[in-house]
Amino acid sequence: KAGVTQTPRYLIKTRGQQVTLSCSPISGHRSVSWYQQTPGQGLQFLFEYFSETQRNKGNFPGRFSGRQFSNSRSEMNVSTLELGDSALYLCASSLGTGQLNLRNTEAFFGQGTRLTVV
Amino acid sequence: AQRVTQPEKLLSVFKGAPVELKCNYSYSGSPELFWYVQYSRQRLQLLLRHISRESIKGFTADLNKGETSFHLKKPFAQEEDSAMYYCALKSGNMLTFGGGTRLMVKP
Repeated sequence: KAGVTQTPRYLIKTRGQQVTLSCSPISGHRSVSWYQQTPGQGLQFLFEYFSETQRNKGNFPGRFSGRQFSNSRSEMNVSTLELGDSALYLCASSLGTGQLNLRNTEAFFGQGTRLTVV
Repeated sequence: AQRVTQPEKLLSVFKGAPVELKCNYSYSGSPELFWYVQYSRQRLQLLLRHISRESIKGFTADLNKGETSFHLKKPFAQEEDSAMYYCALKSGNMLTFGGGTRLMVKP
């Protein structure tokens, strides 16, 4: 089956602009999570959506927002971009029912969108 | 709040040598732990999870609740094991990652 798809793969934006990143999960997966990866801070959780509702949120400012559509596709938006927002943004999908079993616990990651803010 | 620590940023071993990548965690509940691997130019992928007690590509990891550790081990390293390894703790549907350890296996 097709994996998690993130678009675009690369983006260059100017400080102050806003950006929208897209993630298409694996078919049948209802949970989509977003992570920011930087050399200094590593992988940090941004937020998770399940059935169009934000279910978990990390410790990021309100400039970072997201949404999920009825087909489970998700978008992440960053407004008023800062230089420090330059990072690889990863999306992960899972079945997301929350029950502890082998099928539901695995998160599958996309290739990421590399955002450069200049 | 949960925390995952991988004390080594880089681990360099020779082919055939044993490997142990360390992971320590702090979490108030019952932990659900994973090892993820990222090979060069590939996406992050699950290597193994503690609840299945499996061995994948010769790697094993045992959860030690007393020492709050989940170290990844392999008795004989191969060159193709060279990659970034991340230990992760799952709470709800959120993963908390360690800083990662780059494993380099020299010929």
